[in-house]
Amino acid sequence: DAKTTQPPSMDCAEGRAANLPCNHSTISGNEYVYWYRQIHSQGPQYIIHGLKNNETNEMASLIITEDRKSSTLILPHATLRDTAVYYCIVRVAWKNNDMRFGAGTRLTVKP
Amino acid sequence: DAGVIQSPRHEVTEMGQEVTLRCKPISGHDYLFWYRQTMMRGLELLIYFNNNVPIDDSGMPEDRFSAKMPNASFSTLKIQPSEPRDSAVYFCASSPQRANQPQHFGDGTRLSIL
Repeated sequence: DAKTTQPPSMDCAEGRAANLPCNHSTISGNEYVYWYRQIHSQGPQYIIHGLKNNETNEMASLIITEDRKSSTLILPHATLRDTAVYYCIVRVAWKNNDMRFGAGTRLTVKP
Repeated sequence: DAGVIQSPRHEVTEMGQEVTLRCKPISGHDYLFWYRQTMMRGLELLIYFNNNVPIDDSGMPEDRFSAKMPNASFSTLKIQPSEPRDSAVYFCASSPQRANQPQHFGDGTRLSIL
């Protein structure tokens, strides 16, 4: 599975959009990009995933660059409850095995 | 829908004691995963099952750790004897059989070995 690189920490003002970047320059054509987050004292929570098209759900939007070497998770209107560690993970589509969690980005939403 | 259920949420015990962690996956999910999270090592996979059969246990630290899945709705992770370095948060996750499906995690068991 391809390696990912994320900034260790970011701040965001409450009510503003939070844009979390992820670099996955060695991604292969059959690898998906997944995003999870972990709020303190809870288990990782699935947010969204995609292959090459932009994706949106009730939680967030995922923007994947055309060359697929990087992506951005967008929380359109961040709230204090979005403060968490956000993980970007790349995994081969048909491999139902483990998710390789890196260090992630610690997002702090400030009032 | 009920998510992945883990018990107990917290466990404090003395070194040398046997510890058993329990997990109930989401109904209909065919994959079950056990992870361990520490400050030093982050979140790491210990073992995973498909249709109750262990597929990869290469992450199990040593023979003191064992995991079973006697049926589709229950799994245990056992540590015997426990040691202080086993202190961590242990997570269970499950996912459906279909490819490209995300894993859904429980809220973990926080284990402290004194």
